[in-house]
Amino acid sequence: QVQLMQSGAEVKKPGASLKVSCKTSGYTFTGLFIHWLRQVPGQGPEWMGWINPNSGDPEYAQKFQGRVTMTRDTSTRTAYMEMRGLRSDDTAVFYCASGLTPYFEHWGQGTLVTVSS
Amino acid sequence: EIVMTQSPATLSVSPGERAILSCRASQSVSSNLAWYQQKPGQAPRLLLYGASTRATGIPARFSGSGSGTEFTLTISSLQSEDFAVYYCQQYNNWPYTFGQGTKLEIK
Repeated sequence: QVQLMQSGAEVKKPGASLKVSCKTSGYTFTGLFIHWLRQVPGQGPEWMGWINPNSGDPEYAQKFQGRVTMTRDTSTRTAYMEMRGLRSDDTAVFYCASGLTPYFEHWGQGTLVTVSS
Repeated sequence: EIVMTQSPATLSVSPGERAILSCRASQSVSSNLAWYQQKPGQAPRLLLYGASTRATGIPARFSGSGSGTEFTLTISSLQSEDFAVYYCQQYNNWPYTFGQGTKLEIK
């Protein structure tokens, strides 16, 4: 079955960078897009963008353009999301999700990121 | 971007009763709407897509309707495991956007 396993919780200072990993199993890695979403506590999820694991091409929501980079490593079946210039309002749970469709059937367990001085 | 508005924010219903949750889009999203269920500490779980098609393994008590800008999620006979937060998501336009959620609580 499709499984997505994310890296562990992180605490970051304002201005720092973050890199979250999403290791996949149970399907052909290059066959499904990997999406990244952010969920601030008490709010709905927010779609950040996706990466096509086959080509490596990403697409970003305009809000995150220039601050986020999505990459993948096909040899380890892992996708990565890097965010720079962290602020306190970036404190959230970050999720990866996989699929061919723009709705999300398979999710990682989430990575809690706390940004605090 | 398309704004998704869910109502009510909180819905109190007794087990065995029916719950009706609403979702409104700021412009038409055709039938490109999904519903999710989220429990504390868990990732969202896909319930419906295409406004009314149940995802794999979703019980028949979950149903959806609507198109354009008005959508409804109906849970026909609430079970204890159904008390959670529910989100709608449009995927008709970039960026894909979610509502703020409806918390379904036990009455």
